[in-house]
Amino acid sequence: DAGVIQSPRHEVTEMGQEVTLRCKPISGHDYLFWYRQTMMRGLELLIYFNNNVPIDDSGMPEDRFSAKMPNASFSTLKIQPSEPRDSAVYFCASSQAKSGANVLTFGAGSRLTVL
Amino acid sequence: AQTVTQSQPEMSVQEAETVTLSCTYDTSENNYYLFWYKQPPSRQMILVIRQEAYKQQNATENRFSVNFQKAAKSFSLKISDSQLGDTAMYFCAFMKRSGGSNYKLTFGKGTLLTVNP
Repeated sequence: DAGVIQSPRHEVTEMGQEVTLRCKPISGHDYLFWYRQTMMRGLELLIYFNNNVPIDDSGMPEDRFSAKMPNASFSTLKIQPSEPRDSAVYFCASSQAKSGANVLTFGAGSRLTVL
Repeated sequence: AQTVTQSQPEMSVQEAETVTLSCTYDTSENNYYLFWYKQPPSRQMILVIRQEAYKQQNATENRFSVNFQKAAKSFSLKISDSQLGDTAMYFCAFMKRSGGSNYKLTFGKGTLLTVNP
């Protein structure tokens, strides 16, 4: 299995531009999570999906952020318009619900820099 | 809401020695899971070990073991025979175990561990 695949690995953009981050979860996993990591706030959950349906988006900072999961193998996190304070590493993770512990597998992350 | 606290921002250890990283958490839940993830300089988040709260036996994975004290809400990670490749940021994390769809992880701020040769 190739694991959770995220793209791009690095993105540098200017304030006001639209940014789209992409994620391909592990095949067969029914949960998908988007996390943001910054020095100040650590790892924060932004939103998660179950069977392509958003379950909890309370961590999405503001309306500039949106996430979609059109099918079981693809999700996007979009920021429009981007601001310098959005600079962070964005992680996608997926998992499969079982009767036991639900272990999240993380992608390599997308480092976003907004100038 | 659950909170996870890692009180040691940084630690260091000599190669081949043993080190213990601390983690405490606050929850009103009775059934839950606890995890340790490591994040090396490559940035990849890697699962180290997990513990189910209803199991009294401490989890062990090769050189990694935990000391789980449910009453004290403490979950420390012990690394034996430390290796240079263990240098990483270590995150403690909590997950509720509920009947519904609630599998999100809450992370601590992390402990940066440096293994010195």
